[in-house]
Amino acid sequence: EAQVTQNPRYLITVTGKKLTVTCSQNMNHEYMSWYRQDPGLGLRQIYYSMNVEVTDKGDVPEGYKVSRKEKRNFPLILESPSPNQTSLYFCASRRGDIGVAEQYFGPGTRLTVT
Amino acid sequence: KQEVTQIPAALSVPEGENLVLNCSFTDSAIYNLQWFRQDPGKGLTSLLLIQSSQREQTSGRLNASLDKSSGRSTLYIAASQPGDSATYLCAANTGGGNKLTFGTGTQLKVEL
Repeated sequence: EAQVTQNPRYLITVTGKKLTVTCSQNMNHEYMSWYRQDPGLGLRQIYYSMNVEVTDKGDVPEGYKVSRKEKRNFPLILESPSPNQTSLYFCASRRGDIGVAEQYFGPGTRLTVT
Repeated sequence: KQEVTQIPAALSVPEGENLVLNCSFTDSAIYNLQWFRQDPGKGLTSLLLIQSSQREQTSGRLNASLDKSSGRSTLYIAASQPGDSATYLCAANTGGGNKLTFGTGTQLKVEL
């Protein structure tokens, strides 16, 4: 089954404790992206990657890091989480042909930072 | 900077009604516009994607239109059902095709 998976689905952590949220897709998609969703603000893009070793900032990159060492994986790293990073996070992927390719989303990771 | 607005924020209709959800965007230089459905506690499911060169797309009871010149898109749902209850999000693809800017959604409730 074609899908985007995220782990963990739920995470409660404390301020300053480094964490990684994994994202994996099995569709051989070139493009992957991370979003956060907050009430009243909608979904906002954090980082995206056009292909292996190619990443760029989205609208809200502060406090996050990403890497793309393999085509299927795109982990999101919070080096020193803070309470304002409490949010619902989504990973997405699509084929590389801009304009015609739909984005497929993972099930989300709900992060709480205390 | 692209801004996407969806009105209304919430909508409640009786089962069987036809309805229209609205989406407007400020920058007409889009690659495509995508409509998603989000159920509570779940991820986003893609419903329809309209390329910038297209005027509309249809899938079953759903029809989405795109008017780039006026910066508007609509999602038409025919013969609504309780199972259509969800939040509907539109997103404009800009920034060289790398940025997806979302509206804040319309929360739809279809009542028996």
